[in-house]
Amino acid sequence: IQMTQSPSSLSASVGDRVTITCRASQGIRIDLGWYQQKPGKAPKLLIHAASSLQSGVPSRFSGSGSGTDFTLTISSLQPEDFATYYCLQDFSYPRTFGGGTKVEIK
Amino acid sequence: QVQLVQSGAEVKKPGASVKVSCKASGYAYINYFMHWVRQAPGQGLEWMGIINPSGGTTSYAQKFQGRATMTRDTSTNTVYMELRSLRFEDTAVYYCATPGKAAADTPLDYWGQGTLVTVSS
Repeated sequence: IQMTQSPSSLSASVGDRVTITCRASQGIRIDLGWYQQKPGKAPKLLIHAASSLQSGVPSRFSGSGSGTDFTLTISSLQPEDFATYYCLQDFSYPRTFGGGTKVEIK
Repeated sequence: QVQLVQSGAEVKKPGASVKVSCKASGYAYINYFMHWVRQAPGQGLEWMGIINPSGGTTSYAQKFQGRATMTRDTSTNTVYMELRSLRFEDTAVYYCATPGKAAADTPLDYWGQGTLVTVSS
């Protein structure tokens, strides 16, 4: 299954609403997670099962979608949110990541 | 609290093999699936494969079939990922990751700190 993530990068300001999308090459129900990665660090799980917020993750992060189209939304971007975000389908093996979206400061 | 501690950085020559370890603590690791993910410098995340420590069964991305082997040592709560016939393009940070829940292979909630493998002549 191919995961196409867009955009590959974006520039935004603190307080902006940010939306990242991931499209699967075939239906994957809601079997998708979103991960945040900061430079030099391991990825961190934000959202699982497309829309379930992982414990301890701020509520400004939300996920939606099912089937082939998914969205990660940050409702009000904070300084600590500047990072790279990846989707990962866990519908079938082999697992596949999206190409990543780098969120930079405008 | 689940913790995954990986072995240290490695430098290998092309054609050699590398074996990265991932030691688990804080849970009954025998029940928890372990994934391996790698990231080349400046690139995205790439899923390599998964091992079920309970029975030792594995599944690999096609790209790594025949070149990667994932194993486990139940006596030390450690899983291993061996990659053979190393190429320059295998230079990457290798991560182990687990859901940290019994009988679950998703999502990847706990990650090791990463192991840098450099392939250089």
